[in-house]
Amino acid sequence: GENVEQHPSTLSVQEGDSAVIKCTYSDSASNYFPWYKQELGKRPQLIIDIRSNVGEKKDQRIAVTLNKTAKHFSLHITETQPEDSAVYFCAASDGNKLVFGAGTILRVKS
Amino acid sequence: GAVVSQHPSWVICKSGTSVKIECRSLDFQATTMFWYRQFPKQSLMLMATSNEGSKATYEQGVEKDKFLINHASLTLSTLTVTSAHPEDSSFYICSAHLGWTSYNEQFFGPGTRLTVL
Repeated sequence: GENVEQHPSTLSVQEGDSAVIKCTYSDSASNYFPWYKQELGKRPQLIIDIRSNVGEKKDQRIAVTLNKTAKHFSLHITETQPEDSAVYFCAASDGNKLVFGAGTILRVKS
Repeated sequence: GAVVSQHPSWVICKSGTSVKIECRSLDFQATTMFWYRQFPKQSLMLMATSNEGSKATYEQGVEKDKFLINHASLTLSTLTVTSAHPEDSSFYICSAHLGWTSYNEQFFGPGTRLTVL
């Protein structure tokens, strides 16, 4: 089955700096890669996703890149703000179930 | 659109009792719903996939007789934790799938915090 690895487990950045979180997946059949932001006690919130026929997608300060050959995808947050502090999860799907990475705690220091 | 609700939002029960959690898709029909469990400071782990009108598919290591899933309609799936024990205390989250036309996006419920004393 699919296995998703996520790094780093924690990331501290200064407000205004960029943050990058990386994930690798194992199943070449996976074709959908969402990123979620989760605040304590809340549901995961989809912040951006990418499908396997696209290499990069951007939405304001957030971007995701996908390298199908290497089976890795990354989340890029620019101009970080204190409200970006949360736990971020990557996930991979083969069209049915989602397999999540272990999560990254992002702390943005003001 | 694509709103998923869960009830209750939190529940405290005694060891040995059963607890039912409801997951509803409020503005769409969900042929497939998913149940996840999330322990503190951990990721979401898929427990089972629930298809309307058929038996749920459980992930390896999840006891189907302990975690009963019923998906009797296109808008409601229920998870019953039978004979709950303290180790079942967790955050249970459901999600619903709009279908192939939505390219796999899942919509998550707000979660249910279960505490077993």
